[in-house]
Parts: sequence; C-alpha cells; structure tokens
Amino acid sequence: EAEVAQSPRYKITEKSQAVAFWCDPISGHATLYWYRQILGQGPELLVQFQDESVVDDSQLPKDRFSAERLKGVDSTLKIQPAELGDSAMYLCASSFGGASRNEQFFGPGTRLTVL
Amino acid sequence: GIQVEQSPPDLILQEGANSTLRCNFSDSVNNLQWFHQNPWGQLINLFYIPSGTKQNGRLSATTVATERYSLLYISSSQTTDSGVYFCAPCRNDYKLSFGAGTTVTVRA
Repeated sequence: EAEVAQSPRYKITEKSQAVAFWCDPISGHATLYWYRQILGQGPELLVQFQDESVVDDSQLPKDRFSAERLKGVDSTLKIQPAELGDSAMYLCASSFGGASRNEQFFGPGTRLTVL
Repeated sequence: GIQVEQSPPDLILQEGANSTLRCNFSDSVNNLQWFHQNPWGQLINLFYIPSGTKQNGRLSATTVATERYSLLYISSSQTTDSGVYFCAPCRNDYKLSFGAGTTVTVRA
C-alpha cells in the first residue's frame, strides 16, 4: 500500500542549530503539504506545494523556515536557527490535487525537540 | 480558515460502548475528512465525507453540509479505538482546517 514517507522520525537538537526534515509523497500525488502540530492542538498548515511551486506559505515563519520541492516529488523543510518554541510534530501530507481528488494522506511525522 | 469546534473534548468509554463525536464548522465546505491519531502521532484516514453517510466496519460518519456539522459514530468500542479523533473540513482551496480534536479513552 502506498504511503507518505518521512525522515527522521525523531530529532533532538539544541537551540540555534539547523534542522531539516524530508518527505516523499505517495507516487503520483501532485500536491504536498507540511503541517506543524503543537502538543494538545490540531495540525496547522505551514506550506502547500502544487508540483514544484509553492501555492501557499502564508503561515510559514520565513525568517527561519524554508521549504523546497525542487523536482516536484520529494520535499525538504528546514529550520535555521531552531528555537525552543519550534518543538512540535512536523507532518507531511499529499494528495492527487484537484477538486474531486484532494483527499489528503499523512506520513508518520517527525517529532522535533529543541533543547 | 474555517473555524472548527469538536465535542466533547474528552470521552471515556467502557469497552463495548457506543459513542458519537460531533464536529461543527463555520463555513460552507467542499469536503471533510475524519482522522484518528494513534499514540505514535500518525494521522490515520477514517473518512472522506463531504456529505451524506458512510460506514466502515464499526465506524460510520454523517456530514450535513447545509447545517455545517459532521458526526462520527463508534460502535462496540475497543481499546484500540483510543486516541485523538480530528475533524478537518476544507473549502475549494484544498486546505484542511483542524479542530482541537476529541480524546477518546476506551477502558477494558
């Protein structure tokens, strides 16, 4: 069964260090999403890609976060420098895209702890 | 985004009991998904249900889009049903808006 892959599953880093997360969507899915989930809350969208283009990054803290999907397949989310408040679960999701094919499927997530 | 309210926030069930989780949303939507977040944090798709009723085993869901709510029914609950259930509607921008979730604990 096709799944969204993410790595690493867990990451512990110190404040001011750089971290990067990787996501490989389900094959054929044109739309890719990165979400952040703080403990006790629902996920919040950070950035949405359609193929290699950013569709929405209005909630991405651009002073320290960046995201890319260079070939329109896998994607990387980077934080530099990490801050204590960045501790959260980072979730990647993908969908075929389009009005009738936008069911989103999530990967296992990367749990980030910033010390 | 769409404002989403889920109730109850917490639910404790005895194994075998039935329950109903409710999701109210603030705007008209194109579709709605229900998820179960397992103890390891992964979101598992339960239903993709913009309107009408669907059933999958012991779970079923109903969305009444014109009245802006959706319901998730759990019948004959099992300990493996424990976790957080999220409702996530979206408009035609394909962006899911998540509620705070309902935490379900099923006791043996």
